[in-house]
Amino acid sequence: GQNIDQPTEMTATEGAIVQINCTYQTSGFNGLFWYQQHAGEAPTFLSYNVLDGLEEKGRFSSFLSRSKGYSYLLLKELQMKDSASYLCAVMDSNYQLIWGAGTKLIIKP
Amino acid sequence: NAGVTQTPKFRILKIGQSMTLQCAQDMNHNYMYWYRQDPGMGLKLIYYSVGAGITDKGEVPNGYNVSRSTTEDFPLRLELAAPSQTSVYFCASRSGTGEAYEQYFGPGTRLTVT
Repeated sequence: GQNIDQPTEMTATEGAIVQINCTYQTSGFNGLFWYQQHAGEAPTFLSYNVLDGLEEKGRFSSFLSRSKGYSYLLLKELQMKDSASYLCAVMDSNYQLIWGAGTKLIIKP
Repeated sequence: NAGVTQTPKFRILKIGQSMTLQCAQDMNHNYMYWYRQDPGMGLKLIYYSVGAGITDKGEVPNGYNVSRSTTEDFPLRLELAAPSQTSVYFCASRSGTGEAYEQYFGPGTRLTVT
């Protein structure tokens, strides 16, 4: 079957760094996405990885290892506004997204 | 551009009632999707469309129907609403390849069936 695993909840301190992990088993692989979702709002796109390695976008970076079925999202210099759920999603062989349940990130001052 | 719009934002239905959730996009995207999101669960694909006149079932299609008569509009029909359909419904669209695989989401419709 298809499966995406990520931690349910994480807590971090304002100004610190946090790494949110995602492991996956899917039928085919056409890329991995990270989305941010604030409470009561729609998901918004953060990053897309299709090749192994690290992609950096400002305070956010995303890493992919296809051989390990593993990705992480790294958030630096955490701000209170980063409190949200972070959704990992894999595009399978049919180009459909398979979604993880999301990681709720709580930022403490 | 308005992006992806959805109406209504909130709705309460009685068991057995029917309704249509509206979705429209003004980005000329071919691909459109309907998801539901339940608490603590990942987004589940209900139906999708690869262009006007073409629709297909996703992971959880039972109890729903869709149509795609134009590129812009992709309504979702609920027939004979059941409490299990209480959820948040998101419509999304995308264009082509690479980072254009990115899906753009509407604001969601929060539906309660009692």
